[in-house]
Amino acid sequence: GAVVSQHPSRVICKSGTSVKIECRSLDFQATTMFWYRQFPKQSLMLMATSNEGSKATYEQGVEKDKFLINHASLTLSTLTVTSAHPEDSSFYICSAKWSGRGLAGGTSTDTQYFGPGTRLTVL
Amino acid sequence: GESVGLHLPTLSVQEGDNSIINCAYSNSASDYFIWYKQESGKGPQFIIDIRSNMDKRQGQRVTVLLNKTVKHLSLQIAATQPGDSAVYFCAENVGTYKYIFGTGTRLKVLA
Repeated sequence: GAVVSQHPSRVICKSGTSVKIECRSLDFQATTMFWYRQFPKQSLMLMATSNEGSKATYEQGVEKDKFLINHASLTLSTLTVTSAHPEDSSFYICSAKWSGRGLAGGTSTDTQYFGPGTRLTVL
Repeated sequence: GESVGLHLPTLSVQEGDNSIINCAYSNSASDYFIWYKQESGKGPQFIIDIRSNMDKRQGQRVTVLLNKTVKHLSLQIAATQPGDSAVYFCAENVGTYKYIFGTGTRLKVLA
């Protein structure tokens, strides 16, 4: 249980284009999802908290107009990197927190379950 | 901003030996702690968690110890196997369900 998927797993795009990354909780409902980015040999840095049915909360220094987040349902959040540039190249990882109801979920509503990540390369 | 070229601390352990990975956390108000394992090119995988009202929790081959006095967390892996080779991160729940991740430790298991 508590499986999170991401799509695509890898994407290469040209500078100036937009890229959408999907995060799905497959066997549980998640009212809250999180988006992280990770540079090589570094830890995960939280970008934003995505709440179903409301606006995302962005961490300090993260441009909300550049990283658009939509949490349209209890099992899906999307991150769109708009007008991507080479410095946006990174490993993007989402996580989901079990809402405590609905589909079979984790044992704790505090635990975040992570997706497999999306490698974004901007040329 | 991010630093470029950081090297993760590395722990090298002989196969079959026990591993101890340490983590210092920052917020004395954190009430929930988690250890994750991350293999190359993959997302973090949940290993074990512990709440602040406990000082020890055991799982299958893993034990987490929490010392709130010095804000220290450790992960012990018994009989380390080649499949345990990965980067291990601790995370603390700082409220509003936000996690702060530690810098990570690379575990290398030597055959």
